[in-house]
Amino acid sequence: EAQVTQNPRYLITVTGKKLTVTCSQNMNHEYMSWYRQDPGLGLRQIYYSMNVEVTDKGDVPEGYKVSRKEKRNFPLILESPSPNQTSLYFCASTSGPFSTDTQYFGPGTRLTVL
Amino acid sequence: AQSVAQPEDQVNVAEGNPLTVKCTYSVSGNPYLFWYVQYPNRGLQFLLKYITGDNLVKGSYGFEAEFNKSQTSFHLKKPSALVSDSALYFCAVRDQREAAGNKLTFGGGTRVLVKP
Repeated sequence: EAQVTQNPRYLITVTGKKLTVTCSQNMNHEYMSWYRQDPGLGLRQIYYSMNVEVTDKGDVPEGYKVSRKEKRNFPLILESPSPNQTSLYFCASTSGPFSTDTQYFGPGTRLTVL
Repeated sequence: AQSVAQPEDQVNVAEGNPLTVKCTYSVSGNPYLFWYVQYPNRGLQFLLKYITGDNLVKGSYGFEAEFNKSQTSFHLKKPSALVSDSALYFCAVRDQREAAGNKLTFGGGTRVLVKP
């Protein structure tokens, strides 16, 4: 089954404790991205990757890092989480860079930073 | 810059009645428009998209949307709502000119509640 998986699904942590949210897709998609969802704001893009070793900032990259060492994986790293990063996070993938391509979303990771 | 507005935070409708979820957009070039649905504790699921051609687009689960260029709108519709349609709906736009990032810009979401 074609899918995007994320782990963990739920995470409660404390300020300053580094964490990583993993994302993996089995569709051989080149393009992947991370979004955060906050009430009333919809989804906002954090980072994206056009291919292996190619990443760039989205609209709200501050406080986040990403890496793309393999085509299927695109982890999101919070080096020093803060309470304002409490949010619902989604990973997404697309087959290519064309604007008409549909994005496929993972199930989401609900992060709480105390 | 591209933006999307969903003017209603919540839409309430009785089962069997028509459902409309409103969306307006702003882009510099030609828009590519998408609707996604999010059920509780689930990720976003693709419903339909408008790229070009016929202004009326048909999608999953009996939904359709009409692209109106003069009103810069892309309202989502369903002729007869089901209780199972209760969910959070997102409209999204991508500017044809903004190739870099392949970014979708989302509206704030509209919660649909279908009552039996």
